[in-house]
Amino acid sequence: AQSVTQLGSHVSVSEGALVLLRCNYSSSVPPYLFWYVQYPNQGLQLLLKYTSAATLVKGINGFEAEFKKSETSFHLTKPSAHMSDAAEYFCAVINGGSQGNLIFGKGTKLSVKP
Amino acid sequence: ETGVTQSPTHLIKTRGQQVTLRCSSQSGHNTVSWYQQALGQGPQFIFQYYREEENGRGNFPPRFSGLQFPNYSSELNVNALELDDSALYLCASSAGTPSYNEQFFGPGTRLTVL
Repeated sequence: AQSVTQLGSHVSVSEGALVLLRCNYSSSVPPYLFWYVQYPNQGLQLLLKYTSAATLVKGINGFEAEFKKSETSFHLTKPSAHMSDAAEYFCAVINGGSQGNLIFGKGTKLSVKP
Repeated sequence: ETGVTQSPTHLIKTRGQQVTLRCSSQSGHNTVSWYQQALGQGPQFIFQYYREEENGRGNFPPRFSGLQFPNYSSELNVNALELDDSALYLCASSAGTPSYNEQFFGPGTRLTVL
């Protein structure tokens, strides 16, 4: 069965610093992986997705993620944090089967200090 | 293009009552998935509707039920509410199934059960 694990429930960085949010996956088949962002009192917005094409995936708002099969990882990075990046971030994997529902990690809350 | 909308925004119910949540899918999307997001957790898959039929279900009891209408909007019904049903309920629409395409999320309905 597919699953994802997000390391660190809370990450705090200074404005302008590197953002690194960690996600490891478990999947018996080549995974489809996603990063979503959730701002307070809002739904989820797709940042980027990996669908077995390029291993380095670029998303919106300057975020990118690298798929590393050997490490079963799909970490999210951004070179320079902005105050507006403060939000909760969820890593997700597509479940197999006909419905292809998303299986989410528990989330990482990103705080950005001025 | 109208995005995914959900109603109501907030709802307060008492234990044992029944509740109906509504979701309008994005134009052109025929698949709606429902997720429950408890406080501090990632969303968990409840079930999916494709072309008015249930197309997969997560680990939720039968008192969680749903409908999809010919215009692809959807309802989530929960009977005999329990305190643990307090959560943010998210719906997501997508084009076709399996939902390897992007799932677009609504802003959610926050349900509080007292």
